[in-house]
Amino acid sequence: QTVVTQEPSFSVSPGGTVTLTCGLTSGSVSTTYYPSWYQQTPGQTPRTLIYSTNTRSSGVPDRFSGSILGNKAALTITGAQADDESDYYCVLYLGSGIYVFGTGTKVTVL
Amino acid sequence: QVQLQESGPGLVKPSQTLSLTCSVSGDSISSASYFWNWIRQPAGKGLEWIGRIYTSGRTDYNPSLKSRVSISVDTSKNQFSLKLSSMTAADTAVYYCAREIGAVTGLFDIWGQGTMVTVSS
Repeated sequence: QTVVTQEPSFSVSPGGTVTLTCGLTSGSVSTTYYPSWYQQTPGQTPRTLIYSTNTRSSGVPDRFSGSILGNKAALTITGAQADDESDYYCVLYLGSGIYVFGTGTKVTVL
Repeated sequence: QVQLQESGPGLVKPSQTLSLTCSVSGDSISSASYFWNWIRQPAGKGLEWIGRIYTSGRTDYNPSLKSRVSISVDTSKNQFSLKLSSMTAADTAVYYCAREIGAVTGLFDIWGQGTMVTVSS
């Protein structure tokens, strides 16, 4: 079974930059996995940030950016703000109509 | 404004089959542009993709759930449904329906509010 790995947690200072990654237990993530990123605050539904590697969803601030870094997908938050404190999930397309979510990263801004 | 709303029982007994429905308003479920997905999240844990359906009836399922899952669409009611059999406590979760734009984008742009399902006798 394919497992998509993310860092369990990250801490970033207000105004700072943090890069979250999304990898595979076996193999490399590339654009053909169409990595997407979702933000979820407690009790809320997930919100789309980035899809198809690096396309920002409508209304998402440009401090959020997506990319491929080495063998992983990455989400970078530049100039972190207090309301960026959330859980972040990546999702990868494995082919044959199958998606898998990552384990999630809890980001703390302090 | 497109909205999705899940409905179904909040409590299911072990070994029973869960049946949930997602009602779509503000757009046609028959649109060629979308896939319709089910995603779940146990309390305090991460998201798990369950499966999806296209208006044609084509379905794709999470391999780990495939033997127990069935997703169907009712275009006349603008709804799609999830059935998950042989429920156990491990299936206790918030169940979301979500619209996906395109066949391979990872863009789940609209989500229902989610419905909590508890498996308990």
